Amino acid sequence: QQQVKQSPQSLIVQKGGISIINCAYENTAFDYFPWYQQFPGKGPALLIAIRPDVSEKKEGRFTISFNKSAKQFSLHIMDSQPGDSATYFCAASYSGGYQKVTFGTGTKLQVIP
Amino acid sequence: EADIYQTPRYLVIGTGKKITLECSQTMGHDKMYWYQQDPGMELHLIHYSYGVNSTEKGDLSSESTVSRIRTEHFPLTLESARPSHTSQYLCASSERVTQYFGPGTRLLVL
Repeated sequence: QQQVKQSPQSLIVQKGGISIINCAYENTAFDYFPWYQQFPGKGPALLIAIRPDVSEKKEGRFTISFNKSAKQFSLHIMDSQPGDSATYFCAASYSGGYQKVTFGTGTKLQVIP
Repeated sequence: EADIYQTPRYLVIGTGKKITLECSQTMGHDKMYWYQQDPGMELHLIHYSYGVNSTEKGDLSSESTVSRIRTEHFPLTLESARPSHTSQYLCASSERVTQYFGPGTRLLVL
C-alpha cells in the first residue's frame, strides 16, 4: 500500500533554475515529513524536514512547502546546481511509537549546465 | 556525521551460496533497519529492529533473516542466494525520527 505518492519520477532542470518535487500522503497521523537526498553509490541522507505545525521551512537553497489540508508537501530547490543532481525521496512518519518511515518512490533530478 | 558501516560494499556470488551482509553502527541507536533498493529506485523495508533481541519483518516480503544480538550490529543473512536477490541492500539506524543510512551493499547473484 503506497501511502506516500511522489512526482515526478524524473526531472531535468537547467543550472540556476528551480526544481520542484511533490509528494502527497494519506495517513493524517503522520507528523514528521523529511526529504532525503541520495547520490549514486551512497545511502540516502537527510536533507531537510518539516512538521505539520508550520507551512514552510527553508534551509539555504532548499525549501519545504507543506499544505496540511491538502495532505501535500513539496521540495523546492532554488538556483539548482549540477551538484544537486541526485535522487530525492520524500518520506513520512510518526514521531512517537515505533517511528517507521514510509518513503516515496523517488525523483531522479538532473541539473544540466 | 552518522557512523554506520556496511560490508562488503560489493558482492558477486553464485546461486545457492549462503551470504551474510554486515551492518554496524557506533551511535548507540536502538532502532535499525534493512532496505532493499534497486539503484536509484524505491526503498523497500525488509526488516527492522527496535532493540536487542527484537526483529520484525518489513513491508516487502524477503527470504532473508536478521538477528540483533548486540545493539551496534544487525547482520542480514540469505541462506541460499538466488538471482532474484540481486539488488542493493541498505542498512539504517535511528534514535528518533531521522534515519542514518550506510553506504549499501550491492549484491549480484549469478
